[in-house]
Amino acid sequence: GAVVSQHPSWVICKSGTSVKIECRSLDFQATTMFWYRQFPKQSLMLMATSNEGSKATYEQGVEKDKFLINHASLTLSTLTVTSAHPEDSSFYICSATRTGTEAFFGQGTRLTVV
Amino acid sequence: GIQVEQSPPDLILQEGANSTLRCNFSDSVNNLQWFHQNPWGQLINLFYIPSGTKQNGRLSATTVATERYSLLYISSSQTTDSGVYFCAGSQGNLIFGKGTKLSVKP
Repeated sequence: GAVVSQHPSWVICKSGTSVKIECRSLDFQATTMFWYRQFPKQSLMLMATSNEGSKATYEQGVEKDKFLINHASLTLSTLTVTSAHPEDSSFYICSATRTGTEAFFGQGTRLTVV
Repeated sequence: GIQVEQSPPDLILQEGANSTLRCNFSDSVNNLQWFHQNPWGQLINLFYIPSGTKQNGRLSATTVATERYSLLYISSSQTTDSGVYFCAGSQGNLIFGKGTKLSVKP
């Protein structure tokens, strides 16, 4: 299957700082990338959908000013958690797909805000 | 958006047993996938199966699109099969069920 690389795998940051997470499709061009959030022992919750060159579409209840998504190319999307607070601590996972085909997921990023 | 329901939520098996996991959808989907989430959080793609039946080793999956459900079969389970199994369906965005936590005892 296709390879999606997410970086970093884990990060610890101080409250009030910003953190950037990268998601790259290594061997295919992704028309769409998705960002999910997962709390312990829960399912994946879709945060936003991004298409290359256009603004991300956020799910209801997700603050677009808090979670900035940039999809600069067909192989790279970034999620920036701005002014992070302890309640933003979570597991963030990206996925990449070509339209109407199988989605592949990154390894995930465990964010801890102290 | 669509709702995805998985059952059972928890399943405990003895090594060597067979099991069936089910996924129901509230509406038709044009994409359906099964995943296994390992202890480190990585989602492993098991099947991309909008319809029909596929097999991969001890695992197989069947999707009956007209009735809006999919089944994942695990035969001769091993302790390494333990973990959480998710199904996800899409009409555009991939929406996940709550998962089935499988524990296989030696």
